[in-house]
Amino acid sequence: AQKVTQAQTEISVVEKEDVTLDCVYETRDTTYYLFWYKQPPSGELVFLIRRNSFDEQNEISGRYSWNFQKSTSSFNFTITASQVVDSAVYFCALSVPSNDYKLSFGAGTTVTVRA
Amino acid sequence: DAGVIQSPRHEVTEMGQEVTLRCKPISGHNSLFWYRQTMMRGLELLIYFNNNVPIDDSGMPEDRFSAKMPNASFSTLKIQPSEPRDSAVYFCASSFRGSNYGYTFGSGTRLTVV
Repeated sequence: AQKVTQAQTEISVVEKEDVTLDCVYETRDTTYYLFWYKQPPSGELVFLIRRNSFDEQNEISGRYSWNFQKSTSSFNFTITASQVVDSAVYFCALSVPSNDYKLSFGAGTTVTVRA
Repeated sequence: DAGVIQSPRHEVTEMGQEVTLRCKPISGHNSLFWYRQTMMRGLELLIYFNNNVPIDDSGMPEDRFSAKMPNASFSTLKIQPSEPRDSAVYFCASSFRGSNYGYTFGSGTRLTVV
């Protein structure tokens, strides 16, 4: 079975602070895919990134960066110099071929950035 | 591409009434998913279809819930009769079957049953 754990329920920061969201996953598949989605207050689910299990390179996209570490089964997400517009719920998700690539979501982390 | 289109965006109904939620997936996508989001349970997969055929409906909470996909461009999720505990945001998503690229989600339908 697949499982995604986001241990942080809520994080509150002041603008310009960095914030790191933790994601730990469990799977027996050797091939798997990890995702982050953002859900702003407007409610839609927005795709942020996809990472496959064979690519452990960290990725940076603007103020967003992701740290994938297979040794610890983690796929953490950092927002650098946070802004009020980053306030949202962030979901980590996992898909594996043995489960027909269905997405298994974590519980989400609510990030509040205060001005 | 217009993305995944859901209607209505908001629905308020009285307990006991029938509710129908609608979804138009992205053209060419052959997998469609219905999710429910609540504070207590987070994002739950209710049912998914591959090539218009229901594959796994184990997440459908009760017989009051039913879903159909009569063709590749349309799906419905029906609740009959509705109850206050059905109040939630219902998301539809689509993808290419077997794709490891994740899903594209619709904007969701916020259902309130009073």
